[in-house]
Amino acid sequence: EAQVTQNPRYLITVTGKKLTVTCSQNMNHEYMSWYRQDPGLGLRQIYYSMNVEVTDKGDVPEGYKVSRKEKRNFPLILESPSPNQTSLYFCASSRGLAGGPKDTQYFGPGTRLTVL
Amino acid sequence: GESVGLHLPTLSVQEGDNSIINCAYSNSASDYFIWYKQESGKGPQFIIDIRSNMDKRQGQRVTVLLNKTVKHLSLQIAATQPGDSAVYFCAEIVNFGNEKLTFGTGTRLTIIP
Repeated sequence: EAQVTQNPRYLITVTGKKLTVTCSQNMNHEYMSWYRQDPGLGLRQIYYSMNVEVTDKGDVPEGYKVSRKEKRNFPLILESPSPNQTSLYFCASSRGLAGGPKDTQYFGPGTRLTVL
Repeated sequence: GESVGLHLPTLSVQEGDNSIINCAYSNSASDYFIWYKQESGKGPQFIIDIRSNMDKRQGQRVTVLLNKTVKHLSLQIAATQPGDSAVYFCAEIVNFGNEKLTFGTGTRLTIIP
């Protein structure tokens, strides 16, 4: 089954404790992206990657890191989480034939993160 | 600044009726638009898209209309069903070289049985 998976689905942590949210897709997609979703603000892009070893900042990259060492995985790293990073996080991927997201983006199920 | 927004945050429609969800955008450079549906506890799901060289596109029970003159996008859902209850997002892509997907804040559609 074609899908985007994220782990963990739920995470409660404390300020300053490094964490990683994994994202994996099995569709051989080139384009991958991370979003956060907050009430009243909709989905905002954190980082995106057009291909392996190519990453770029989205709208709200501060406090986050990503890596794209292989096509299927795109982990989101919070080196020192803070309470304002409490949010619902979604990973997405698409074929990216045009070099960007001009293609159906498939979303993962989401990771609900709480930073105390 | 550039923004993608929605006219109404909530919309209630009687089952079987048609619904229209609206979206305004402000960047005339936007050249691709997408509607997503998000059910409770799930990630956004692609519904339909439209490119800026079109003004209408139809799918199964859904139609997207694009009015570039007034920078307005709408999603029409025909013969609504209980399963249509969800939050609907419009999103735009502005082609500045590195294309960026920008989402609106969403409209919650509730289908009344």
